[in-house]
Amino acid sequence: KAGVTQTPRYLIKTRGQQVTLSCSPISGHRSVSWYQQTPGQGLQFLFEYFSETQRNKGNFPGRFSGRQFSNSRSEMNVSTLELGDSALYLCASSLGPQSRGTIGYTFGSGTRLTVV
Amino acid sequence: DQQVKQNSPSLSVQEGRISILNCDYTNSMFDYFLWYKKYPAEGPTFLISISSIKDKNEDGRFTVFLNKSAKHLSLHIVPSQPGDSAVYFCAASKGGATNKLIFGTGTLLAVQP
Repeated sequence: KAGVTQTPRYLIKTRGQQVTLSCSPISGHRSVSWYQQTPGQGLQFLFEYFSETQRNKGNFPGRFSGRQFSNSRSEMNVSTLELGDSALYLCASSLGPQSRGTIGYTFGSGTRLTVV
Repeated sequence: DQQVKQNSPSLSVQEGRISILNCDYTNSMFDYFLWYKKYPAEGPTFLISISSIKDKNEDGRFTVFLNKSAKHLSLHIVPSQPGDSAVYFCAASKGGATNKLIFGTGTLLAVQP
């Protein structure tokens, strides 16, 4: 079965622009989480969505926002891009929030965002 | 504030020997701990987990140990294989039905043939 699909795989944007990243979960999965990975910081939690509702939000500025659609696909948006937003953005999906990050919690390969 | 810490950025081990990866945490509210493995250009994959009510969990060559009093966990890989070479992240979660994970910064394991 198809895995978690993140598009685009690579993106280059200029400071001040905005960007939208997309995540299509595994079919049947209704929970989607987003993480930012930067060198030296590991993966940092951004948001968690379940059935179109944001259940959790990480400690990121308001420039970072997200949403989930009725088909469980999710998007995240970053406005007024800064150089420090350059990172690998990963999403993960699972059937529901009960997976606790274990078996069935599947990450996509990520979107590599470079801000110049 | 880094609640989950992996103080060794890298580790090199000979094939067939034991690899020990360490992780420390500060938040006593964490009740579930996990290890993930990540290859370049791929997303992390779940490896093994442990609940805070246990002190050891085994799955084949992988064993995770939890020392709650020291707020420390470790991942043992025995025997190590070249295919184990990857970045290993430990992660923790706090109670309830949530997939929110707090990750460490990762340790790059290199298993030399």
